[in-house]
Amino acid sequence: AQSVTQLDSQVPVFEEAPVELRCNYSSSVSVYLFWYVQYPNQGLQLLLKYLSGSTLVKGINGFEAEFNKSQTSFHLRKPSVHISDTAEYFCAVILNQAGTALIFGKGTTLSVSS
Amino acid sequence: SQTIHQWPATLVQPVGSPLSLECTVEGTSNPNLYWYRQAAGRGLQLLFYSVGIGQISSEVPQNLSASRPQDRQFILSSKKLLLSDSGFYLCAWRGTGAWYGYTFGSGTRLTVV
Repeated sequence: AQSVTQLDSQVPVFEEAPVELRCNYSSSVSVYLFWYVQYPNQGLQLLLKYLSGSTLVKGINGFEAEFNKSQTSFHLRKPSVHISDTAEYFCAVILNQAGTALIFGKGTTLSVSS
Repeated sequence: SQTIHQWPATLVQPVGSPLSLECTVEGTSNPNLYWYRQAAGRGLQLLFYSVGIGQISSEVPQNLSASRPQDRQFILSSKKLLLSDSGFYLCAWRGTGAWYGYTFGSGTRLTVV
């Protein structure tokens, strides 16, 4: 079965600093990968996804992520964060086959301060 | 366009009381539907998913059940709530096809007291 590990539960950064949120997955078959963002007491919003093709994917709000198959990683990055980026971020994976569901990591809380 | 509705937004229920959370999807047919629960520090846990009317798969044995009485309706229920059922419940849908993206509802904050 597939699993997702988000290596940092909390990441505090200062405004305008770069940030990387780490995500590793395990699966014996090919997968699709996602990053979602959740603001307090709200549902999840898709930031970006990797389905196939270029391993560097760009998403909304200036975020990007790189799929590294050899390291089974899908780290999320942003070169300069804003206060408004403070939220919880979830990495998720789904197997490339029918009848499976999206599996999430435990989340990383990004706290941006001035 | 497709939309997903989830209600209520907030719910406070006593221990031992029943529960019914409803999720409906508009603008699509035969969606795959999912219930997730988010508890503090535990990420999102898949509870149930359904690929069609009356078809329910349970991922975690627990005090909850799910039903899909109509194509675009997904209901999460409990006969007797436990304190451990507290959490943030999210419904999601996925269309069929190559794009496996999920769309999430706005969630229900359940507090069992």
